[in-house]
Amino acid sequence: KQEVTQIPAALSVPEGENLVLNCSFTDSAIYNLQWFRQDPGKGLTSLLLIQSSQREQTSGRLNASLDKSSGRSTLYIAASQPGDSATYLCAVRREDNQGGKLIFGQGTELSVKP
Amino acid sequence: DGGITQSPKYLFRKEGQNVTLSCEQNLNHDAMYWYRQDPGQGLRLIYYSQIVNDFQKGDIAEGYSVSREKKESFPLTVTSAQKNPTAFYLCASTSDAWGPGMANEKLFFGSGTQLSVL
Repeated sequence: KQEVTQIPAALSVPEGENLVLNCSFTDSAIYNLQWFRQDPGKGLTSLLLIQSSQREQTSGRLNASLDKSSGRSTLYIAASQPGDSATYLCAVRREDNQGGKLIFGQGTELSVKP
Repeated sequence: DGGITQSPKYLFRKEGQNVTLSCEQNLNHDAMYWYRQDPGQGLRLIYYSQIVNDFQKGDIAEGYSVSREKKESFPLTVTSAQKNPTAFYLCASTSDAWGPGMANEKLFFGSGTQLSVL
């Protein structure tokens, strides 16, 4: 059974710091991995999607990497800003594509202090 | 604007009552999903539908029911059999539904419905 874990559960950093969020998964047979952002009381917004054949994806100050064989992904945020404060969730899609279902981690709550 | 609309934003359920959460999308997506989010936990899949008039149970379907009569709509009913319904409910959709090679589209979410028990 695929399990997705995100550590730490919460992270607080000063503005301007570069930071890394971690995501690990137990079954390497994934089709892709997505990173999402969730603001309090809101839905999720997809930030980056990495296909299983890719090693990384970049969007602005965000860079996501994928090491499928070791079951790990990281989300790198450069020059963090208070507006980056949110919960970040990762989710994997099974290789057998079971109805497109995603399996989510519990999320990392990020707070960027001015 | 294209997107997913969930309503209502807040919903209260009395004991023994069934309530229905609405989810409508104008993205022309085939696949739609319902997730439940509890505080400090990740999302858990309730039901999903890959095509009109067809849907599948997710990991926590007990006490819930759905229908998919139209491509744009995927309402979720929380029945009285669901004993712990208080949670944040999220609807999502994506354009890909079938097979490898079509499976790398992002998932789009609605803004959620907070359901509480009176």
